[in-house]
Amino acid sequence: DAGITQSPRHKVTETGTPVTLRCHQTENHRYMYWYRQDPGHGLRLIHYSYGVKDTDKGEVSDGYSVSRSKTEDFLLTLESATSSQTSVYFCAISPEGLEKLFFGSGTQLSVL
Amino acid sequence: GDSVTQMEGPVTLSEEAFLTINCTYTATGYPSLFWYVQYPGEGLQLLLKATKADDKGSNKGFEATYRKETTSFHLEKGSVQVSDSAVYFCALGGSGGYQKVTFGTGTKLQVIP
Repeated sequence: DAGITQSPRHKVTETGTPVTLRCHQTENHRYMYWYRQDPGHGLRLIHYSYGVKDTDKGEVSDGYSVSRSKTEDFLLTLESATSSQTSVYFCAISPEGLEKLFFGSGTQLSVL
Repeated sequence: GDSVTQMEGPVTLSEEAFLTINCTYTATGYPSLFWYVQYPGEGLQLLLKATKADDKGSNKGFEATYRKETTSFHLEKGSVQVSDSAVYFCALGGSGGYQKVTFGTGTKLQVIP
């Protein structure tokens, strides 16, 4: 199994608070991704990174920011959490060429 | 932009039945196509892939053929088992040279004994 760790696994927070989710990999893969999974929408890309300090927006990036200061860590921040951001968040990694995405186990986030 | 359309679920089949899950796509250029599977409580796993037109991906008895003329990548299995119960996602990647993957909404499969 690919070495991907997401933390925390579960989080409950209140509307308006900032939240940071962490994805850590031990594979030294170049590409890292954050997706959210919601019923009826499948997985939607929030942000992705193609190298240290190189990131780009996905289709649902509003309200989210990311940072990648080291190859192994990709942080997702909800600047001011809203109830619409209640979701399951998945991190994924990939070597060059999109041969395969490896997924973490997910973070269940509830914004009350 | 890129998009993937899958047949709506849930799909309920008896064990040993034939499975087809339809998938069509819209993309720029010549993307790679994928099927991922998600078992309850887990992240997604790659099931199979195809990188160019007429390629057939296969794994664990599942197959899908990259049909450029119909922009489709339908998933099939000749005889499903209870252990195949999961959510199946069609996806495309590499369109337009961008290294990102776009997923469909997923199709839940339930196989009953």
